[in-house]
Amino acid sequence: AQSVTQLGSHVSVSEGALVLLRCNYSSSVPPYLFWYVQYPNQGLQLLLKYTSAATLVKGINGFEAEFKKSETSFHLTKPSAHMSDAAEYFCAVSDNNQGGKLIFGQGTELSVKP
Amino acid sequence: DTEVTQTPKHLVMGMTNKKSLKCEQHMGHRAMYWYKQKAKKPPELMFVYSYEKLSINESVPSRFSPECPNSSLLNLHLHALQPEDSALYLCASSQGRAGARANEQFFGPGTRLTVL
Repeated sequence: AQSVTQLGSHVSVSEGALVLLRCNYSSSVPPYLFWYVQYPNQGLQLLLKYTSAATLVKGINGFEAEFKKSETSFHLTKPSAHMSDAAEYFCAVSDNNQGGKLIFGQGTELSVKP
Repeated sequence: DTEVTQTPKHLVMGMTNKKSLKCEQHMGHRAMYWYKQKAKKPPELMFVYSYEKLSINESVPSRFSPECPNSSLLNLHLHALQPEDSALYLCASSQGRAGARANEQFFGPGTRLTVL
């Protein structure tokens, strides 16, 4: 069975500092991996996705993630945090089946201090 | 149009009421999903429709009844809910074919449901 683990339910950084949100996955087949962001009282917005092409994936709002098969990781980074990045972030894994099911991690709340 | 819309935004209902949540997309997607999300938790999958047919039911209580009238619309009918059913209900859609692109799900803003 596939699963996702996000280390750290809450991460706090200063504005301008590096953002690092950790995600490890478990999958018996090559995974498709996603990072979603959720702002308060809103739905989920796709930040980026890994589809077995380039291992370094660039997304929206300056975020990127690197797929490391040897470490079964897909950590999300941003070089310089902005106040508007404060939100809940979810890592998810999906299989190749039709209408594939997304399996979410528990989420990481990112706070950005001025 | 890359948007999933949901109505209403907020809903308050009593335990004896019958209400419906509505979801709509015009991206030509053939898979649509209902999720339930409690505060500070990830979304939990409830139902999946693929090509207007129910393909996944995650053992959801029968007081929740999904309906997919056509490829653009998804409804969730609610009856005799319990206070613990209060949550954010999210709808999503995807292309519904095998492959990564199919698995990219587009989410609506959700309906905040409160059961009194």
